[in-house]
Amino acid sequence: KAGVTQTPRYLIKTRGQQVTLSCSPISGHRSVSWYQQTPGQGLQFLFEYFSETQRNKGNFPGRFSGRQFSNSRSEMNVSTLELGDSALYLCASSPGGATGAGLFFGEGSRLTVL
Amino acid sequence: KNEVEQSPQNLTAQEGEFITINCSYSVGISALHWLQQHPGGGIVSLFMLSSGKKKHGRLIATINIQEKHSSLHITASHPRDSAVYICAVGETGNQFYFGTGTSLTVIP
Repeated sequence: KAGVTQTPRYLIKTRGQQVTLSCSPISGHRSVSWYQQTPGQGLQFLFEYFSETQRNKGNFPGRFSGRQFSNSRSEMNVSTLELGDSALYLCASSPGGATGAGLFFGEGSRLTVL
Repeated sequence: KNEVEQSPQNLTAQEGEFITINCSYSVGISALHWLQQHPGGGIVSLFMLSSGKKKHGRLIATINIQEKHSSLHITASHPRDSAVYICAVGETGNQFYFGTGTSLTVIP
């Protein structure tokens, strides 16, 4: 079974640009959650999608948005990039709706904002 | 205010030593994960706990719901155990609060 696939793995943007990151979950998994990891703040929850609906949202500005498609693939978008958005963005897929289900992470997309 | 407190932040051990990493949390909990992150970024969930104790090989994880505390133990540590270990506490769905991580180095 293929794991969680994130693309692109690395990208460089400049301030003010926007970026879209993609996450393909494990086949059959319906939940995709997104996390930001920085050296200063560690791991922080961005949002979670389940069956194409945003179920939970973390404390991030509206510049951070996401969506999930009918095949469970998910994208997140960051508009008007700031230097502080430089981070490793991780997605995780989970089989079902309960927190008690397993959590499987992708390798991450490393974003550098110049 | 940190919803999840993890200790120690850094840990150096000799190969073969018994290691304990602690996690205390203040939020309501549906499940707790212990995560392992190697250099380069990849994260693996080692354990998912909602009560009691779990064991996988040399790794043991325990949780005390009443005391809001969990521990990860590594018996007979090995250099390949060197990684960052992160405690993740889930309230609902996959909305997790994370500890700051424990960087473990095991010296041969």
